[in-house]
Amino acid sequence: AQKVTQAQTEISVVEKEDVTLDCVYETRDTTYYLFWYKQPPSGELVFLIRRNSFDEQNEISGRYSWNFQKSTSSFNFTITASQVVDSAVYFCALSDPRYNYGQNFVFGPGTRLSVLP
Amino acid sequence: ETGVTQTPRHLVMGMTNKKSLKCEQHLGHNAMYWYKQSAKKPLELMFVYSLEERVENNSVPSRFSPECPNSSHLFLHLHTLQPEDSALYLCASSHLAYNEQFFGPGTRLTVL
Repeated sequence: AQKVTQAQTEISVVEKEDVTLDCVYETRDTTYYLFWYKQPPSGELVFLIRRNSFDEQNEISGRYSWNFQKSTSSFNFTITASQVVDSAVYFCALSDPRYNYGQNFVFGPGTRLSVLP
Repeated sequence: ETGVTQTPRHLVMGMTNKKSLKCEQHLGHNAMYWYKQSAKKPLELMFVYSLEERVENNSVPSRFSPECPNSSHLFLHLHTLQPEDSALYLCASSHLAYNEQFFGPGTRLTVL
């Protein structure tokens, strides 16, 4: 069965600090997708990134970067120079693309990030 | 309107009421989903519709009844709910080939 673990329940940092959110996943499949979503206080989950299991290249988008390591089944998310607007709950998710309809989308429990001014 | 919209944003209902949640997607997607998000619990997938046909029902009680009249609209009909059904109900949509789901803002439901 697929599983996503986000061991950090809550993190607090001061603005401009760097912060890394951990995500560890379990799957027996060789082909899969990993995702990160952001849920601000307004409630809507905002899609941040999708990564497929064959692409281990790290990705950077502005202040956001993602480190995918298949050897440790991890897909960690780093925010550089954090800002108050980054305060949200962040979810890591795992999906098996053989299921066309996304019914096997598995979310982690989320990490609540608070960035203090 | 763009993205995924949900109405109402907040709903308070008694246990004997009947109400409906509405979701509309403007992304041209062909799959839609209902999720339940309770406090201190992971997101729970409730229903999946693909091309207007239900393809998944994750053991959801019959007091929740989904309806998908076309690929852009999804409803969740509620009747005789319990207080433990109070939660944030999120709608999402996706394109079958691309997998990532796009979410609406959710309906905060309180059952008294």
